Amino acid sequence: SAVISQKPSRDICQRGTSLTIQCQVDSQVTMMFWYRQQPGQSLTLIATANQGSEATYESGFVIDKFPISRPNLTFSTLTVSNMSPEDSSIYLCSGRGTSSTDTQYFGPGTRLTVL
Amino acid sequence: DQQVKQNSPSLSVQEGRISILNCDYTNSMFDYFLWYKKYPAEGPTFLISISSIKDKNEDGRFTVFLNKSAKHLSLHIVPSQPGDSAVYFCAASPNFGNEKLTFGTGTRLTIIP
Repeated sequence: SAVISQKPSRDICQRGTSLTIQCQVDSQVTMMFWYRQQPGQSLTLIATANQGSEATYESGFVIDKFPISRPNLTFSTLTVSNMSPEDSSIYLCSGRGTSSTDTQYFGPGTRLTVL
Repeated sequence: DQQVKQNSPSLSVQEGRISILNCDYTNSMFDYFLWYKKYPAEGPTFLISISSIKDKNEDGRFTVFLNKSAKHLSLHIVPSQPGDSAVYFCAASPNFGNEKLTFGTGTRLTIIP
């Protein structure tokens, strides 16, 4: 199984600023995803991080707000831009292995609080 | 529109007894279902999955049942152990490729020693 790490584990940010979250996988994965879990809510898929090309965003999420990079198979970043208190959430990345039957493994999450 | 629903936000079960967690879904395009367990300050950990061609999948103490006609799945844990205390999420995917998971809101399971 893949081991996924995220940095930072938590942060408190001011309104209007941006935060970049890093996700590192210990083995090659074909697919990487970014999720958000707002307080008391389920995990919601933000986007699929595509290696070397633009991410594929889900309905309700846009690149200007959540730019994503994936320069190689084992690393991705998610930026939360121009933050507001509504962006206070846990942000999680996940990876799925090379086989279509592999499950998705999740990182520990980044707890973001926006004041 | 919540396509995957877990109507019980919490559940308490005596140690050694059976824990049953339920999940309903509305999207008939879902073809693959998973259960994840989440401890505080950790990411969700995969537990067990089932594809729509089956109605039951078993792995040790964990069994998942799928009733496609009712759009309902359940996770049975027997016997329940204190280490099972966690939040359990069911998730669904439109394909066996396990992409684009849609999660329920979770059920907090507490095992009482």
